[in-house]
Amino acid sequence: GAGVSQSPRYKVAKRGQDVALRCDPISGHVSLFWYQQALGQGPEFLTYFQNEAQLDKSGLPSDRFFAERPEGSVSTLKIQRTQQEDSAVYLCASSLAGGTSYNEQFFGPGTRLTVL
Amino acid sequence: AQSVTQLDSQVPVFEEAPVELRCNYSSSVSVYLFWYVQYPNQGLQLLLKYLSGSTLVESINGFEAEFNKSQTSFHLRKPSVHISDTAEYFCAYMDTGRRALTFGSGTRLQVQP
Repeated sequence: GAGVSQSPRYKVAKRGQDVALRCDPISGHVSLFWYQQALGQGPEFLTYFQNEAQLDKSGLPSDRFFAERPEGSVSTLKIQRTQQEDSAVYLCASSLAGGTSYNEQFFGPGTRLTVL
Repeated sequence: AQSVTQLDSQVPVFEEAPVELRCNYSSSVSVYLFWYVQYPNQGLQLLLKYLSGSTLVESINGFEAEFNKSQTSFHLRKPSVHISDTAEYFCAYMDTGRRALTFGSGTRLQVQP
């Protein structure tokens, strides 16, 4: 499997619990993105890494959301004290290069989070 | 505010009929434009993109889209659809100075026999 992988594929959490979602990008890809897709909506940008540096976190909806990519490869999106409105599919994408020139983003299958 | 509008949430069409999925964007800066497709139980895949040059872009499976700057549109068309084209289609843009994609809300194309 040379694509972007995400785990778990499904996560059910009780309101107030903390969750951690993992993304394994395509090997060698410099850039990594997180998106949130609510039911019936298109994906919405959350945050972007170039290697281990988080260059854009303008889409994170609250300080309960935190993302990291400490070694410039695997990334984890953590949501603290989950709320029902956090229920969504969380998509990870990676692209080969950094910088401002266009590079195709390749998407993973997503993690479906349901908060009860 | 910058945004993408997909005017139709669902488009039912019979097999071998033509189809057009509409997309309009609102941006004050230069953008790249994209169509992504999401087949049932699969991840998002890039269908086609406009970066610069010819305003008509094509995909390998017969879809095409035309960038119209004056109308700020990027409608997706196919002259004859197949059952296998049944999927959710998302229009998106990228501000040329950023890396984030902005997506529309999607159009579900349902091809009927």
